[in-house]
Amino acid sequence: SQQGEEDPQALSIQEGENATMNCSYKTSINNLQWYRQNSGRGLVHLILIRSNEREKHSGRLRVTLDTSKKSSSLLITASRAADTASYFCATETSGSRLTFGEGTQLTVNP
Amino acid sequence: DTGVSQNPRHKITKRGQNVTFRCDPISEHNRLYWYRQTLGQGPEFLTYFQNEAQLEKSRLLSDRFSAERPKGSFSTLEIQRTEQGDSAMYLCASSLDYSPLHFGNGTRLTVT
Repeated sequence: SQQGEEDPQALSIQEGENATMNCSYKTSINNLQWYRQNSGRGLVHLILIRSNEREKHSGRLRVTLDTSKKSSSLLITASRAADTASYFCATETSGSRLTFGEGTQLTVNP
Repeated sequence: DTGVSQNPRHKITKRGQNVTFRCDPISEHNRLYWYRQTLGQGPEFLTYFQNEAQLEKSRLLSDRFSAERPKGSFSTLEIQRTEQGDSAMYLCASSLDYSPLHFGNGTRLTVT
């Protein structure tokens, strides 16, 4: 079953704008991860935030985690056409499997 | 590090046939995962191995599905008596212990 739910399902922006994607989950977690997937390809890991962390940065990516609300957000600043992809959040609970959400399809228009 | 390799990339089969997919993980990774992904959805967990031991299987993995990882290296996923509902992208990923997953580019299965 899907643990995470991303919002919005699809997002279309202009190059240079910021893109924000949200993820909600249902159970307590050890960590939450964000992955990116280009069409027809495998997923690529972007960033991991642990349950005791509230914010993390990596380049143009900023992730926040609110465990009280069971939600996370991914912000991509100064977006580029090459950022066009699907973005998935994934939660790790028992140290074994990752459970993925349904994803946000981001389109960055040049 | 040559990444996770999956073969074949595409497989078209007729309903009722058996198919087998192969995954070669990153060599030093001890964990190997299989996920299934349908169009517009996120990956769904099927099973995972730590070394050669299969430690967890999803209830999605019916008795027509079997996965192996002999000697803790490559893995195979076999689907017997394929059904149209098995059409999906089958993704393999590997990791070193609890580190983030490294995915292959998947095998796209089409059952006609």
